[in-house]
Amino acid sequence: AQTVTQSQPEMSVQEAETVTLSCTYDTSESNYYLFWYKQPPSRQMILVIRQEAYKQQNATENRFSVNFQKAAKSFSLKISDSQLGDTAMYFCAFMKFGNDMRFGAGTRLTVKP
Amino acid sequence: DTAVSQTPKYLVTQMGNDKSIKCEQNLGHDTMYWYKQDSKKFLKIMFSYNNKELIINETVPNRFSPKSPDKAHLNLHINSLELGDSAVYFCASSQGNRGGRIFNEQFFGPGTRLTVL
Repeated sequence: AQTVTQSQPEMSVQEAETVTLSCTYDTSESNYYLFWYKQPPSRQMILVIRQEAYKQQNATENRFSVNFQKAAKSFSLKISDSQLGDTAMYFCAFMKFGNDMRFGAGTRLTVKP
Repeated sequence: DTAVSQTPKYLVTQMGNDKSIKCEQNLGHDTMYWYKQDSKKFLKIMFSYNNKELIINETVPNRFSPKSPDKAHLNLHINSLELGDSAVYFCASSQGNRGGRIFNEQFFGPGTRLTVL
């Protein structure tokens, strides 16, 4: 079974600074997808960024980027120029082909003014 | 314009009652899901439903049953509610295949907070 581990239950960062959230996963699959979802206090689950395992290039979406290390089974999220609106729970998720998605336990990020 | 909608957003009920949560997606997706998020924010898949194929997480009690009247809807029925059923329930959907590529991104509904007294 695939497992996803987020080792940082809580993190904080000053507004405008950069923060990196960690995620590791365990799988024997070679083809899969990785995601970061954001859940603000509104409770809505919002996709932040996705990475296909067969792509070596790290995905980026504006201020959000990932460091995907396939051999190490690591998928960290970097948030640059942090904004107050980035305050949320962040979930790392693993999905193999077939739509079976597994989530990590989440990291609560607080952006301080 | 809402992609995945759930009703109700809040549900408070007594132990032992039977309740339903409705989910609708207007994205034309093939697969729908139900997740449970507990008080510690842990998200766990309960069911996935694709073209009338139901995949059940074996840890889900049989008091929970999904019902899909059509491809755009997957409702969650819960019988004999227990205190431990209190949680936020999320519906989600995804497109299995499109043009030969597999799009596995899941779109989530706003969640339903269920409180069992």
